[in-house]
Parts: sequence; C-alpha cells; structure tokens
Amino acid sequence: EPEVTQTPSHQVTQMGQEVILRCVPISNHLYFYWYRQILGQKVEFLVSFYNNEISEKSEIFDDQFSVERPDGSNFTLKIRSTKLEDSAMYFCASSDRLFTDTQYFGPGTRLTVL
Amino acid sequence: KQEVTQIPAALSVPEGENLVLNCSFTDSAIYNLQWFRQDHGKGLTSLLLIQSSQREQTSGRLNASLDKSSGRSTLYIAASQPGDSATYLCAVTSVTSGTYKYIFGTGTRLKVLA
Repeated sequence: EPEVTQTPSHQVTQMGQEVILRCVPISNHLYFYWYRQILGQKVEFLVSFYNNEISEKSEIFDDQFSVERPDGSNFTLKIRSTKLEDSAMYFCASSDRLFTDTQYFGPGTRLTVL
Repeated sequence: KQEVTQIPAALSVPEGENLVLNCSFTDSAIYNLQWFRQDHGKGLTSLLLIQSSQREQTSGRLNASLDKSSGRSTLYIAASQPGDSATYLCAVTSVTSGTYKYIFGTGTRLKVLA
C-alpha cells in the first residue's frame, strides 16, 4: 500500500541553524501538507501546497518557514533560523483533493532545537 | 473561531468492551470530519472520513457518526482489543472567509486492558 515517507526521523540542531525536513508524498496525490505537534499539545496545521504554490497557511507559518517541491517526488519544509520553540514533531501529509479528501500522514520528523 | 474538543481525555477499559469516543466542534459549518489513530510517538493513521452530507461511516469494528447541527461526532469501537490502545484524534475541515481551516481535537488516550 502506498505511504508517505519522511526523512530524517529525528533531527537535532542548534538554535539559529537552518533545517530542511523532507517528505515523499503518495505518488498520485496532488495536495501536500505540513503539520506540527509540540510535545503534549494538539496537532497544528502549518501549510498546504498545490501546483507548486502555497494554497493555505496558518498564522504559525511565518517568514522563517518555506516549502518547496524541488522535483517530482519530494516535498520539503525549511526552517530558516530555528528557535527553541520550533522543537516538535513535524508531519507531512498528502491527499487527492484539498482538505476534502482523506489525508495520509507520514511517520513524522522529531525536531529538537538546542 | 472553530474549536474542537474531545472528551474524555483518557479512557481505560477491559478487553471486549464496546466504547464511544466523543468529538465536539463549535462551528457546525464543516466540510468533513476525519478520525485518526496515533500510536505513541508515531504518525497519524486515518480511520474514517465523514463528509458533511453523511451521517455515518463504518470500517470493520469502527463506526463514526456525525451530527452537524449539534456539533458532535462519535467514534464507536466494538469489542475493543489491546491493539486498539492508542490516542484517537478527530480533525474538522471548515471554510472561513474562503480560507480552509483544518483543526485537530485534543485527543482521547485509550488503553484497553487484556
């Protein structure tokens, strides 16, 4: 069964450093998403992406975040200058249609900012 | 502003018991509602998606219902098993001023005792 994959599973970085989290969505899906979950808190929507453009973003997704689909398979989330409060699990998801269809989630990347 | 609440926060039941998990949302103008399972420290697995025009969805021992007018959804798990132990999340898709919002609930942590 097709699945969403994410790398790395765990990333440790120093405050102020740039990180890139990678995702490979399900191959025939057109919509891609990033979410984060701070330890012990709710899963929060960050951004959705379609046709090489951001379609929706939340208040959390500020200028330090960016997303890209650099090739036909990968979908990346870049955090330009990490802060301690960026420590969280980051989940990638994909779907056939924007929000109105089942979203399939990857296993997540645990980001730890020291 | 859409808010999604899940009660109870935690539940412990003996194996074989039928149980109901609740999800409440404050804005009834939703597109759909999705139930997920999250194993400890892992990603989210989609269980059921109910479109706003539907009243319920079933998959195996799981049945999810939706009552938009009262802002409630329930996930019914029949004949619970220890393998059902996980955190169960609901997520609501709604549109506000032409912008999609995808809001997760707080989750119910379920433990099924052998």
